[in-house]
Amino acid sequence: QVTLKESGPGILQPSQTLSLTCTFSGFSLSTYGMGVGWIRQPSGKGLEWLANIWWDDDKYYNPSLKNRLTISKDTSNNQAFLKITNVDTADTATYYCARIEDYPGIRGSYYFDYWGQGVMVTVSS
Amino acid sequence: DIQMTQSPPSLSASLGDKVTITCQTSQNINKYIAWYQQKPGKAPRLLIGFTSRLVSGIPSRFSGSGSGRDYSFSISNVESEDIASYYCLQYDNSPWTFGGGTKLELK
Repeated sequence: QVTLKESGPGILQPSQTLSLTCTFSGFSLSTYGMGVGWIRQPSGKGLEWLANIWWDDDKYYNPSLKNRLTISKDTSNNQAFLKITNVDTADTATYYCARIEDYPGIRGSYYFDYWGQGVMVTVSS
Repeated sequence: DIQMTQSPPSLSASLGDKVTITCQTSQNINKYIAWYQQKPGKAPRLLIGFTSRLVSGIPSRFSGSGSGRDYSFSISNVESEDIASYYCLQYDNSPWTFGGGTKLELK
């Protein structure tokens, strides 16, 4: 059974660094084809993809966040992390992590299949 | 970046109706599109991957089709549990991009 759960600070001040943790079970980020991504959603608005990390430590970022993002993983503890530097009120959102599995031989199988419940983050002075 | 134009932004339907949502992309995404359902206060739920691949356990009244730059998602025989927002996601090229969403309401 695949599960993911996000954790974060809840509230932080502008200019601080947001650190998020995704703790998962039911799969391993050391397994070929596995990945974890981060997505956020401001209240009442749409979804925005932030970053993906893969089993081989390959990383992809949304360039709209201008080098503020760092994604990483700890395969021993089944965790993935996202840091966002220099936050401001526009970063207030619910943040989700989600699994990606690229099934060998199945074209186009690498989308977000399992999602965490999300963690709400508020940036406020 | 690939732009995703999802329409309509909102949709009103009666129970038993068929509804269709479209996503038009700014360039060919080679069928690398997925569709998600999201209910208020919940995480998105994967319904369809790679244009038309129905996820295990998802009712067959949900379907997807398309190619090139034009993709559609349909619900035949809308049920009350289908009232939600729906999003498309292109994953052909980084950065992955979502459509703006479609809110399905009951008429």
